[in-house]
Amino acid sequence: DIQMTQSPSSLSASVGDRVTITCRASQTISRYLNWYQQKPGKAPKLLIYAASSLRSGVPSRFSSSGSGTDFTLTINSLQPEDFATYYCQQAYSSPTTFGQGTRLEIK
Amino acid sequence: EVQLVQSGAEVKKPGESLKISCKGSGYGFTNYWIGWVRQMPGKGLEWMGIVYPGHSDISYSPSFQGQVTISADKSVSTAYLQWSSLKASDTAVYYCARAYDGKTPEFDLWGQGTLVTVSS
Repeated sequence: DIQMTQSPSSLSASVGDRVTITCRASQTISRYLNWYQQKPGKAPKLLIYAASSLRSGVPSRFSSSGSGTDFTLTINSLQPEDFATYYCQQAYSSPTTFGQGTRLEIK
Repeated sequence: EVQLVQSGAEVKKPGESLKISCKGSGYGFTNYWIGWVRQMPGKGLEWMGIVYPGHSDISYSPSFQGQVTISADKSVSTAYLQWSSLKASDTAVYYCARAYDGKTPEFDLWGQGTLVTVSS
């Protein structure tokens, strides 16, 4: 199985900050990388697919880049509703696997 | 409205069987795959398997193969996840999620989750 490692595991930031979350795959996954946001008690929500494509309706302050094994999710000008847990997911090979999650908390 | 609606929370005893459901509406149910994802208390997301209701093609994660059964009934636009003998370690929230491509899944629509509690 391809292992997905996110860093950091948790992060404290303030409204208006810019934050970056990284995701590393244990082997190359081309650009088959998706990002999800999950709020407590809710289902995950797809934010970004194919490494850098922003899903319709997702604010443009979210962006992502990368290919191969290293990927980053950037959130510019954090808003109160962005405090949540973020997961990356590789869709390159079966079984699809998720990172362990990055919890973004309010400082 | 395009949605996946899951069955309600369950409380079961170890050794009991269980089947939970995920009903799709507002889109062509047979044109998309439905995956199942486990989230144990306070933990991350684990993909269990996926089914294509159009022709009941099913794929399991090796971690869950033999532990659960995934199925779908396209006549009622519903996918299912079932256990024949639950264990305490099956306590988790289970999500169903839609993907257009079962081999490179992007889960763009999720059910609300079903909490399964297994306790004696």
